[in-house]
Amino acid sequence: GAVVSQHPSRVICKSGTSVKIECRSLDFQATTMFWYRQFPKQSLMLMATSNEGSKATYEQGVEKDKFLINHASLTLSTLTVTSAHPEDSSFYICSIPGLFYGYTFGSGTRLTVV
Amino acid sequence: TQLLEQSPQFLSIQEGENLTVYCNSSSVFSSLQWYRQEPGEGPVLLVTVVTGGEVKKLKRLTFQFGDARKDSSLHITAAQPGDTGLYLCAGDPQGGSEKLVFGKGTKLTVNP
Repeated sequence: GAVVSQHPSRVICKSGTSVKIECRSLDFQATTMFWYRQFPKQSLMLMATSNEGSKATYEQGVEKDKFLINHASLTLSTLTVTSAHPEDSSFYICSIPGLFYGYTFGSGTRLTVV
Repeated sequence: TQLLEQSPQFLSIQEGENLTVYCNSSSVFSSLQWYRQEPGEGPVLLVTVVTGGEVKKLKRLTFQFGDARKDSSLHITAAQPGDTGLYLCAGDPQGGSEKLVFGKGTKLTVNP
């Protein structure tokens, strides 16, 4: 299966600053990547679909100006949380679809905004 | 919007007991996947079931896909503390949208 590298694994930032999270596909060219958010003890919530070379598709209720997604190459998608606030603190995970069935997830990024 | 109802949400059992987790929907899925997630990590794919009625076994874990491809179950035999984790079912909607539909997860704790 595909190998996905996500970093940083943990980040603490001050309120009002921006944080960039990277998701790399190490052995697979991914035209599509997905970004999820997960609250404690809950399932994954899809935030947006990252499309290589075009604009991301955001799910209803997700602010696209707050969560900027860039998918500039077939192996890298980035999620930037702009002007972060404590309520943005969460676990963010990326994933890419496999060649056949199944998805490979990154190891996640724990964001804490203080 | 397709939904996957996963139950139970929490399960705490003793080592050696058996358990079953269910995922049900009124919609048909082209495939259904089961993931296991440890705290602070991303989900890891356990299995994908594709054919209605399919049964797959992974050591002590047995996965079943309903005949109509609307539901699935995960059965663990003789659970061990190492099985502790969050189990997630996820369905691939028909039509190739690629956007997985996730169940709410089952937090399993196996006590020694």
